[in-house]
Amino acid sequence: AQSVTQPDIHITVSEGASLELRCNYSYGATPYLFWYVQSPGQGLQLLLKYFSGDTLVQGIKGFEAEFKRSQSSFNLRKPSVHWSDAAEYFCAVGGMEYGNKLVFGAGTILRVKS
Amino acid sequence: DAGITQSPRHKVTETGTPVTLRCHQTENHRYMYWYRQDPGHGLRLIHYSYGVKDTDKGEVSDGYSVSRSKTEDFLLTLESATSSQTSVYFCATRASYEQYFGPGTRLTVT
Repeated sequence: AQSVTQPDIHITVSEGASLELRCNYSYGATPYLFWYVQSPGQGLQLLLKYFSGDTLVQGIKGFEAEFKRSQSSFNLRKPSVHWSDAAEYFCAVGGMEYGNKLVFGAGTILRVKS
Repeated sequence: DAGITQSPRHKVTETGTPVTLRCHQTENHRYMYWYRQDPGHGLRLIHYSYGVKDTDKGEVSDGYSVSRSKTEDFLLTLESATSSQTSVYFCATRASYEQYFGPGTRLTVT
C-alpha cells in the first residue's frame, strides 16, 4: 500500500534562511508526487508536482523539489524563506495503479522567525 | 482555483443527528473526493466519485455515505454524527492527476 512519511512535525527557520522539508514515500510503481501548502483556515494549494522526466521540479512561490527514486524521497526546498511562507506543508503520493487516489503525509508546520 | 465551493462552511451539531455537507464544482471534473483533516493525520480519504452515481470507499469511510446525482455536486452524509467525526472536511476535484481543494467545512459534533 502507498504511504507517505513527513518526519518533521514542526520546523522553524529564520527569514532569509534556506529551507528543506523532507518527504519519504512507499509506492509499488511509478509514483506521482505532490507538495501542497495550507495557510491557516484555508484549503490546500498545489505547490508543485512530479509525474516523470526531470527529477528536479520547479513550483510556485520559488519552491522546488527533487525526486530521488533510490531514496524514495521527494524533498521540498526553497533557497530563501519569506515570512509569508509560514504555513503547513503536505506531501502526497498517487498514481494510476491506485485508482487515482492520493495518500497524504501528516504535514510539516513551518514557522518563520523574523 | 478550480471553482469549488463547500457548504456550510461551519456547522455545530449534536451527537446522533444526521448531517449533510455539500460540495459544488463548476469545472465539470469527473473525479471528486471527500477528505477529513485531523491534527497529526494529514488528510484522509473518506469517499470518492469517478462519475455520476459512481462512488467508492476510501480509507476512513465508516459512518459516512456519499451521493452524486449530478456532475457538479457531491454530497457527504453523516447518518448519525458522533464526536469522533468532529473534523475539518475538504472536498476536491481532479484534473490530470492534480487535485484541487475547496475551502473546507469545519464540523463540530457536541
